Amino acid sequence: DAKTTQPNSMESNEEEPVHLPCNHSTISGTDYIHWYRQLPSQGPEYVIHGLTSNVNNRMASLAIAEDRKSSTLILHRATLRDAAVYYCILRDAGNNNDMRFGAGTRLTVKP
Amino acid sequence: EPEVTQTPSHQVTQMGQEVILRCVPISNHLYFYWYRQILGQKVEFLVSFYNNEISEKSEIFDDQFSVERPDGSNFTLKIRSTKLEDSAMYFCASSKTDLPYYNEQFFGPGTRLTVL
Repeated sequence: DAKTTQPNSMESNEEEPVHLPCNHSTISGTDYIHWYRQLPSQGPEYVIHGLTSNVNNRMASLAIAEDRKSSTLILHRATLRDAAVYYCILRDAGNNNDMRFGAGTRLTVKP
Repeated sequence: EPEVTQTPSHQVTQMGQEVILRCVPISNHLYFYWYRQILGQKVEFLVSFYNNEISEKSEIFDDQFSVERPDGSNFTLKIRSTKLEDSAMYFCASSKTDLPYYNEQFFGPGTRLTVL
């Protein structure tokens, strides 16, 4: 499986944008880039996913590099509730079910 | 908004005992999953289940583990003879499809299993 690399931790100030990077230099053409987050004492929660084009939804934006070897999750205005561990996960179109989590990035949001 | 529910929230058991963790997936979902997270560690995939069969399982999911959908709503994980190292948070998840371009998995709040 293609692997992802994320910083262990990041800090942000409340109401400021946050850019969470993910490197996936061995990504294959059929890998989708998924982001989940895990709030304290909760189960993981879907955030966003994409293949090649940038994506926006109500929670976040996903910017995917042209060569697809990296991506960035963008929270436009961080709130205290966004403090969580964020996981970048590659999912092969031919291997759909198992989702392999890495260590993720622990985001701290300061008031 | 529909959600995945899990019971109990916390289960304490003695080593060697059998435990059954229960989950009620979202009603129109067809794919079901179990994950576990040992305290302070990453979330680990255990098994996926579709059409009353295991579709994928990880190396963690050995003969001590089994899953079942006993009726139209529940999805269970059974550990036959618990070990100390089975202590973890167990998450159930469900999804409508298995297609990665539209396969948002919805997770439950978890069951904390403590093996003494």
